[in-house]
Amino acid sequence: RKEVEQDPGPFNVPEGATVAFNCTYSNSASQSFFWYRQDCRKEPKLLMSVYSSGNEDGRFTAQLNRASQYISLLIRDSKLSDSATYLCVVNLDYGQNFVFGPGTRLSVLP
Amino acid sequence: DTAVSQTPKYLVTQMGNDKSIKCEQNLGHDTMYWYKQDSKKFLKIMFSYNNKELIINETVPNRFSPKSPDKAHLNLHINSLELGDSAVYFCASSQWDPGQDNNYGYTFGSGTRLTVV
Repeated sequence: RKEVEQDPGPFNVPEGATVAFNCTYSNSASQSFFWYRQDCRKEPKLLMSVYSSGNEDGRFTAQLNRASQYISLLIRDSKLSDSATYLCVVNLDYGQNFVFGPGTRLSVLP
Repeated sequence: DTAVSQTPKYLVTQMGNDKSIKCEQNLGHDTMYWYKQDSKKFLKIMFSYNNKELIINETVPNRFSPKSPDKAHLNLHINSLELGDSAVYFCASSQWDPGQDNNYGYTFGSGTRLTVV
């Protein structure tokens, strides 16, 4: 089993749609979780951390399920500018060894 | 002010050459990293330095040698470049406290696109 796996994409959705991405991780000792977005030919940028209790930032909601070892990202009211690749990031242990998932590509269509 | 800056942005070179990529961060972070993103877009860690000390060294050919003169700088030197080294190399930094729920992850540089011909 790969360390971090994500929904295979691409996701093509119309503007205004709600879209959800899932990510599973293999190491039950993982402590820190993040969602990053990466635009074409750009560096990854932190979208949001994922807290134990779940957290929301505007149209974006992140959830963590430790028992099932997955995290999710929900985007409501999709905008054209949300088109990007979304990367799930998990640390493998108590250290700073973070592993990136393969990414899920989202295209929001007019 | 750029938080994590790496140079050069583009690098085209011939097989067998030796090249260096430089990275500097002005965020005061303790830890710096080099990541490689290949043509399939997978981001894989290569090295990590914490306060100038190597803490992660993934399975990378020993043609790749990182150097951290101080905690704000992490350079990557590559000897005898091969075609398969063509990729985008990202430098990143972080300030991370174990057990805290408010770690902010990485800040990445804008990448160095290396093409070996």
